[in-house]
Amino acid sequence: QSALTQPPSASGSPGQSVTMSCTGTSGDVGGYKYVSWYQQHPGKAPKLIIYEVSKRPSGVPARFSGSKSGNTASLTVSGLQVEDEADYHCTSYAGGNNFLFGGGTKLTVL
Amino acid sequence: QITLRESGPTLVSPTQTLTLTCTFSGFSLSTNGVSVGWIRQPPGKGLERLALIYWDNDKRYNASLRARLTITKDTSRNQVVLTMTNMDPMDTGTYFCAHSPSEYRGYSFDYWGRGILVTVSS
Repeated sequence: QSALTQPPSASGSPGQSVTMSCTGTSGDVGGYKYVSWYQQHPGKAPKLIIYEVSKRPSGVPARFSGSKSGNTASLTVSGLQVEDEADYHCTSYAGGNNFLFGGGTKLTVL
Repeated sequence: QITLRESGPTLVSPTQTLTLTCTFSGFSLSTNGVSVGWIRQPPGKGLERLALIYWDNDKRYNASLRARLTITKDTSRNQVVLTMTNMDPMDTGTYFCAHSPSEYRGYSFDYWGRGILVTVSS
């Protein structure tokens, strides 16, 4: 199974909104509700910011939102802040014992 | 407060077996629905899920690595151990262990260790 497709980079200015995509197939993103997003700062462990497509764990700001349309999941960060600059990884359940990750999107806050 | 910490060798030779230990606190791996997983990340690349063990000892493995992986738990010592056989330079990367609460059912991880960088080289 191939990895999920994420654009390598994205950018925005403070206060703006940016949306990052995660494209899979009907056998993973499109077929299940188990899409998660992780934020990872350099040298740090990933942090869960979205699970089950659009749910936010306790403590994650409402500026982070997730959605899905067909085989593509999206993460939107609204009201960009400097501290949002990080890598963002998507992952999806793919049936059986299979989970796929994307290659990650590096978000730059200009 | 949930914490996890990975430990083990940081340098292994090709063909050797890697044994990593995840020592955790703040939760019990005997609690219904809880699980602990291992995830790795090659330098500069994306994440890859390796294995997961549930509170009831149910185990799940990455299908492409299944033949090389073994995950076990020691509930009394609050530890989860991952072994990976026949290590190759391509296995170089940071290895993380992570906690999944019952409500996530192993699909997502809310607490992660800091990770341990394992280099495979002769």
